[in-house]
Amino acid sequence: NAGVTQTPKFRILKIGQSMTLQCTQDMNHNYMYWYRQDPGMGLKLIYYSVGAGITDKGEVPNGYNVSRSTTEDFPLRLELAAPSQTSVYFCASILAGGPNNEQFFGPGTRLTVL
Amino acid sequence: AQTVTQSQPEMSVQEAETVTLSCTYDTSESNYYLFWYKQPPSRQMILVIRQEAYKQQNATENRFSVNFQKAAKSFSLKISDSQLGDTAMYFCAFKGLTDKLIFGTGTRLQVFP
Repeated sequence: NAGVTQTPKFRILKIGQSMTLQCTQDMNHNYMYWYRQDPGMGLKLIYYSVGAGITDKGEVPNGYNVSRSTTEDFPLRLELAAPSQTSVYFCASILAGGPNNEQFFGPGTRLTVL
Repeated sequence: AQTVTQSQPEMSVQEAETVTLSCTYDTSESNYYLFWYKQPPSRQMILVIRQEAYKQQNATENRFSVNFQKAAKSFSLKISDSQLGDTAMYFCAFKGLTDKLIFGTGTRLQVFP
């Protein structure tokens, strides 16, 4: 198993540009999450999904959109990039109701908006 | 709403010594999970240890152990025989009825030779 994979690893955007952060998991997990981590801070939840076709907002959803058309993929879309979106983005997944209650994290995407 | 507080932004310890990282949380739920995650410079989030609130026994994983005080809503992490590879950010996290994690702001741990 590759676990949770994210692409790209790094990206620099200009203000107003758009991009999609990709996230894929091969563990057949039903729940998936997107977090952002600002410098010196913990992770904050942007959006999450409890299954294909179902998504919901987290703590900091403004400026982002998500979709979940398959169990494996959970892309995060930035439509009009702003400097405030400069952050490290983490995707995570969990098998809800599973024995370990452990969220598995991807390696992160460092995004800079200039 | 649940909150997680880590009051120590930075800690340091000498190799082979013991260090304790503090975490407090606030919740009205009675059944929940608590976690400590390690984030080394590679940025990868690594689960160190977990504790189920209904278990009175403190969790232990090799050199890592917790002191879980449910009434006080306290969940500290003790690292024994500290190693240079333990240098990292450590995050305390809470999971209640939903499967969403609430993170603290982290403690940066530096292990010195």
